[in-house]
Amino acid sequence: RKEVEQDPGPFNVPEGATVAFNCTYSNSASQSFFWYRQDCRKEPKLLMSVYSSGNEDGRFTAQLNRASQYISLLIRDSKLSDSATYLCVVNPTWVYSGGGADGLTFGKGTHLIIQP
Amino acid sequence: NAGVTQTPKFQVLKTGQSMTLQCAQDMNHNSMYWYRQDPGMGLRLIYYSASEGTTDKGEVPNGYNVSRLNKREFSLRLESAAPSQTSVYFCASRGTGEMYEQYFGPGTRLTVT
Repeated sequence: RKEVEQDPGPFNVPEGATVAFNCTYSNSASQSFFWYRQDCRKEPKLLMSVYSSGNEDGRFTAQLNRASQYISLLIRDSKLSDSATYLCVVNPTWVYSGGGADGLTFGKGTHLIIQP
Repeated sequence: NAGVTQTPKFQVLKTGQSMTLQCAQDMNHNSMYWYRQDPGMGLRLIYYSASEGTTDKGEVPNGYNVSRLNKREFSLRLESAAPSQTSVYFCASRGTGEMYEQYFGPGTRLTVT
């Protein structure tokens, strides 16, 4: 089983719709989780961290399910500007790690296309 | 703020040529990383440096060398470029004692013919 798995898509979604995608991870010791966004031919940028209790940032909601080892990202009222690739990122060490070997593992990304 | 900068942005090499990709960060971060990104493969870690003076291999280190010149700079060298090294290369940095966010540079698009 791959460490971090995502459905590559593409997800074609009409503007204004709600879209959700999941990411599964294999390392049960994983402690911190993130969603990054990557626009075409650009560098990845942090979209949001994922907390155990779930968290929301505007139209974006992230959830963590440790029992089933997956995280999810929900985008409400989708905009054309949400079109991008969304990378799931998992780290087996505590968020406030003091250093040492880094275990950040990136999924291959889910491609989202918002259509007018 | 400049954040993470990389040079060059684009490069074309012939097989067997060498080059160094430069990366610098101005955020006083301890950790720095080099990734390559290929279609369908996602981001793969080549080398990382947890602090000035230390470097460690990542997932795909073969064919590459790195130098952590100082806290700010982390360079990636291809001694004898091969077509399989055609890729987009991203440098990233991260601080300690803060949320584990990695900041990425804009990338270097390398083609080896």
